[in-house]
Order: sequence, then structure tokens, then C-alpha cells
Amino acid sequence: QVQLQESGPGLLKPSETLSLTCTVSGGSLTSGSYYWSWLRQPPGKGLEWIGYIYHSGSTNHNPSLKSRVTISVDTSKRQFSLKVRSVTAADTAVYYCARVRSWSFDSWGQGTLVTVSS
Amino acid sequence: DIQMTQSPSSVSASVGDRVTITCRASQSISTWLAWYQQKPGKAPKLLIYAASSLESGVPSRFRGSGSGTDFSLTISSLQPEDFATYYCQQGDSVPYSFGQGTKLEIK
Repeated sequence: QVQLQESGPGLLKPSETLSLTCTVSGGSLTSGSYYWSWLRQPPGKGLEWIGYIYHSGSTNHNPSLKSRVTISVDTSKRQFSLKVRSVTAADTAVYYCARVRSWSFDSWGQGTLVTVSS
Repeated sequence: DIQMTQSPSSVSASVGDRVTITCRASQSISTWLAWYQQKPGKAPKLLIYAASSLESGVPSRFRGSGSGTDFSLTISSLQPEDFATYYCQQGDSVPYSFGQGTKLEIK
């Protein structure tokens, strides 16, 4: 059974860059059947899709974050990563990594809270 | 972008009740619709994908239906562990989007 685990700093100041990594275990990051995604959920609010990556490096992301987002993959480390530049308080959220299957999210990490505050 | 609208926003029900949650898409999404259950402090859990396919390990009391723009999730006989927030999600086109959630509470 695949497991995903997010890691990264939990507290950032405005204008800094958010950097998170998702480590995949119990399954292959290079399986042709899956994409790998990032999502977030502000405290007390709903879910927002940030973007996805394929093991080849092909990506797509939510235009709502404009050009602030970069998603990358390191198959040798079984990891994929998220960077969000120039964060503000509006980026405060629980960030999840998830596996994409049939354009739904079938396996999730436990989530990590990232707070942006001066 | 496709907007997803769930109703109701919250519902109170008792153990053993049958509950239906609806989700409407702002344009046709065929059957690219998933349903998730989320409990406080936990990641969402996939229940239904492709509008009506039951995810492995999910109890059969959960049933999804619909196509095009109108979808529903029915829980046939509520169990204590079913009280949670439920989200629909469209996978038809980027950016993927979620409904605002339906909180299912104990009456």
C-alpha cells in the first residue's frame, strides 16, 4: 500500500518561499498509471488543487496561484516537491500531497500545516 | 474554470438514516466526479471515483450516481463513523476543483 509523507518548514515570513517535499513509499513513483499532486486547505475552509507532476517531469498547475508555483520530481529519491514563491498570509494552509488515479486523489499524505506570519 | 456546488452545506441525521448529498457542476463533466470523506484533523479519504465506482475498502452503503452536471452521494444507513465532512471534486479539466463541502452531523 502506497504511503505519502510531507515534510518541510511549518512557519514562514511573508515574501519567503514555501518548500515542501513528499516522500513516496510502498509504491513506485514511476508507475505509468499515476500522477502526483499537491493540494491545500486553509484552516476551516475547503480544498484547493495546486498542481500535479508526472514522473517524466510534465506538470500542470492551478492558474489561481499564477506563476508562483513550481513542482518537481526526483525519482531516485522517490520524492516530489512543491515551491511557492512570495508567500502571504493567504497561503497559510494544511498542504497535502496525493496520488492521482483516474483524475481523483486516491492516496493522501497526512498533511502539514504551513503558517505565514511576520 | 468549472465551479462545483454542493447542497446542503450541512445536514443533521441519526444513525440508521439514509442521507443524500448533491453536487452540481457549472458545465458538463461527464462522469469525472469523485467523492471524499474528511474527518477533523485528517486527510480526505476517497470514497467514490468516476461518479459511481466504489473505492476499494469503502463500505457498500456509500453509493454515487449521476453524469453531466448533476451528481449525488447517498449513504444508505448511517453509521457513527460516517459523521464527517464530504466533498465532491471534478476531474474533467484543469484546474481540478472541489465543492465547498457538506458537514454531516449527528442529530
